[in-house]
Amino acid sequence: DTAVSQTPKYLVTQMGNDKSIKCEQNLGHDTMYWYKQDSKKFLKIMFSYNNKELIINETVPNRFSPKSPDKAHLNLHINSLELGDSAVYFCASSQAGARSYGYTFGSGTRLTVV
Amino acid sequence: DQQVKQNSPSLSVQEGRISILNCDYTNSMFDYFLWYKKYPAEGPTFLISISSIKDKNEDGRFTVFLNKSAKHLSLHIVPSQPGDSAVYFCAASLNNNDMRFGAGTRLTVKP
Repeated sequence: DTAVSQTPKYLVTQMGNDKSIKCEQNLGHDTMYWYKQDSKKFLKIMFSYNNKELIINETVPNRFSPKSPDKAHLNLHINSLELGDSAVYFCASSQAGARSYGYTFGSGTRLTVV
Repeated sequence: DQQVKQNSPSLSVQEGRISILNCDYTNSMFDYFLWYKKYPAEGPTFLISISSIKDKNEDGRFTVFLNKSAKHLSLHIVPSQPGDSAVYFCAASLNNNDMRFGAGTRLTVKP
């Protein structure tokens, strides 16, 4: 009964491949996010989806595309993977009033591009 | 354009003493601030928050202080316990859907 679950937990792939990371939340939250934690450990927002509408896209390359089949899922598709895409990717969700209660994060997906 | 900065990558304190984690921000439009705690191989978990209209918020052993004029906030943990050893992230919010994080401070509490 994990609140925010991501799969896979680890992903090793070659440059040029296309891969997806799945995220599901069972909290009934109305907004979901993808964050990237780079080698410098900063957590940087990539996307957020509210009621299936993209509301933030922080200068992310268009090789990255979020796909939300429904309110409980926000998957991340990455095309033509590059070495610099290696990072830990976190999915998160929130409800109205997030500023009081914060976001709920998944446990992360460590992507390694070789 | 890192708008939230945690300049100390690590902090080590003795069990029972106070831990003070610091955070600075550059955007005066931030109006809500949060602290998250992260254990290895897990996602960050929400710890405590403060609105910009307050200067202090307390929850058990955790207290967050906000100095708006200095654009600075801090998290105090007292007394510190070994289970508090984790990475602590400071975050600031412009609205409900835009939260910016610092790079984190690794706290080690020694028994």
